[in-house]
Amino acid sequence: GAGVSQSPSNKVTEKGKDVELRCDPISGHTALYWYRQSLGQGLEFLIYFQGNSAPDKSGLPSDRFSAERTGGSVSTLTIQRTQQEDSAVYLCASTAGGGGWETQYFGPGTRLLVL
Amino acid sequence: GESVGLHLPTLSVQEGDNSIINCAYSNSASDYFIWYKQESGKGPQFIIDIRSNMDKRQGQRVTVLLNKTVKHLSLQIAATQPGDSAVYFCAEKDTGRRALTFGSGTRLQVQP
Repeated sequence: GAGVSQSPSNKVTEKGKDVELRCDPISGHTALYWYRQSLGQGLEFLIYFQGNSAPDKSGLPSDRFSAERTGGSVSTLTIQRTQQEDSAVYLCASTAGGGGWETQYFGPGTRLLVL
Repeated sequence: GESVGLHLPTLSVQEGDNSIINCAYSNSASDYFIWYKQESGKGPQFIIDIRSNMDKRQGQRVTVLLNKTVKHLSLQIAATQPGDSAVYFCAEKDTGRRALTFGSGTRLQVQP
């Protein structure tokens, strides 16, 4: 595709429900990142996938958060038993490789509101 | 309304003036620095990057300066235009990680 796409663009859910957020990276990009942007804040790293390597989960805030990447392309971020403090914009980014200096291209984000 | 940047520092400039946005970082192991622009309702958009072995890099109307001695990064925008109005984030990456660490952002307002 032309860029990173994310769905849904907006999600409103009730406290305690599970949500799934989807990211489609740029075609051919092997590295994929999830970030969270809370109100008035910069971006906070959540998880990183590179090819077939084990993901870097060091940024996940709790065990309610998980992510997977199927077939080395599409990724799904799952938040179980959502809490109000999970309300944020969830951003996905991808890069062409794992050299470390590649530009991260971001999607438009999913705006999650937990009531 | 858009939730990004309600409590951000704001820089207001007149159209046509030059803008300078500053960023301080603390990690001496950072080896790669990027400036992103984020408009309301959109994801961050890459502007320019610089590696730690450089102290200046120029793009179209933008210049990034890196001072590793004082751990300071700046973004200069020449002839600022109304379309430059956005929140600007600096980001850094250290040698041991792939993920970026973002600053809290600066809102640039361009007055016509």
